[in-house]
Amino acid sequence: DAKTTQPPSMDCAEGRAANLPCNHSTISGNEYVYWYRQIHSQGPQYIIHGLKNNETNEMASLIITEDRKSSTLILPHATLRDTAVYYCIVMYNNNDMRFGAGTRLTVKP
Amino acid sequence: AAGVIQSPRHLIKEKRETATLKCYPIPRHDTVYWYQQGPGQDPQFLISFYEKMQSDKGSIPDRFSAQQFSDYHSELNMSSLELGDSALYFCASSPAWPPGYGYTFGSGTRLTVV
Repeated sequence: DAKTTQPPSMDCAEGRAANLPCNHSTISGNEYVYWYRQIHSQGPQYIIHGLKNNETNEMASLIITEDRKSSTLILPHATLRDTAVYYCIVMYNNNDMRFGAGTRLTVKP
Repeated sequence: AAGVIQSPRHLIKEKRETATLKCYPIPRHDTVYWYQQGPGQDPQFLISFYEKMQSDKGSIPDRFSAQQFSDYHSELNMSSLELGDSALYFCASSPAWPPGYGYTFGSGTRLTVV
């Protein structure tokens, strides 16, 4: 019972913005949207999370639609080191992190 | 900043042997989670502990058991190992509260069963 839907793969040119979409149409009002990434068998790495408002940190920006049914992770200037599998996860109580099928992002020179 | 520490990093065992993986959470994180990631697969949740009590259970085989100790470190014990148990095993930790904190993952233990 996946809570999110992501495209299986995307390509991005180095230096360009990477926009990774996620659908979470059944999200509850108190559930957060998290983004993690996994670089080649390393431990999943936290990127960003949000509840209702758009968020930005040093790694990325998160845009959440007003109805909260979808979101977009934006890597503003993708580098080769951003090649990874990106996971969009919805969760409330720090006790329900389940990984679905993420998006394999390939940044190309 | 302190991170989640897992040991060992690599482990090779023979079929039917037993393996023990250890996880040391970030200080003041009272919840620990275990995940299994097979080759080419996404991480699958196994089990979690809060304040030394099991709090949630996923697709963990009966041959596996885990516990959290008084210092909050956790151990995953796997018996009667099978070839299919070969995988990356990740541990993560978080505070139970507040929500919106997220998990911090360790670097994982790569278990190879031969």
